[in-house]
Amino acid sequence: GAGVSQTPSNKVTEKGKYVELRCDPISGHTALYWYRQSLGQGPEFLIYFQGTGAADDSGLPNDRFFAVRPEGSVSTLKIQRTERGDSAVYLCASSEGGGGADTQYFGPGTRLTVL
Amino acid sequence: AQSVTQLDSQVPVFEEAPVELRCNYSSSVSVYLFWYVQYPNQGLQLLLKYLSGSTLVKGINGFEAEFNKSQTSFHLRKPSVHISDTAEYFCAVSDGRAALIFGKGTTLSVSS
Repeated sequence: GAGVSQTPSNKVTEKGKYVELRCDPISGHTALYWYRQSLGQGPEFLIYFQGTGAADDSGLPNDRFFAVRPEGSVSTLKIQRTERGDSAVYLCASSEGGGGADTQYFGPGTRLTVL
Repeated sequence: AQSVTQLDSQVPVFEEAPVELRCNYSSSVSVYLFWYVQYPNQGLQLLLKYLSGSTLVKGINGFEAEFNKSQTSFHLRKPSVHISDTAEYFCAVSDGRAALIFGKGTTLSVSS
């Protein structure tokens, strides 16, 4: 079946602008995760949804970052007043249940460049 | 807080040679351990995971890893690598929560 998809694959924006990144999880997966991967680093956890609710948002770096999953499927990561330091690849993953033992299936990522 | 250290940032090897990619994690009561691979321009793919039971875990593409609780290590091994194994490898840990903590990655470069 179809894997996790993310759109756009690339996004270039100017400092101070607002961006939205979209994630379509694997059908039937109740858990959805966002990670951020900076150059030369491993993925860094941002937020985890169980169904429609954010079960753990401890990784969001500040209040410019916000994510939603209104119907328990597609999720959108929103970044306000972008800064050059926000440039990274944003990864989305989904899993069946959401426990720590679950296998997380990753999408190809959205490369965000803030000029 | 959990942390993961991948001891080698780059590992160059020749085709058909054995390889070991090292991973250490900070101690916790119990952890789940994962190895993911990232091929160029592709998403992360699970190679294998340790949840409990046998400390030797076998994964896809001929990879295996051994969980060593006393040394808090989870090293990845393959007895004979192929050119197609060239990729970035990430070790990750969960202490039971949903969030995975990743290491910085090891670039495996296989040449002929």
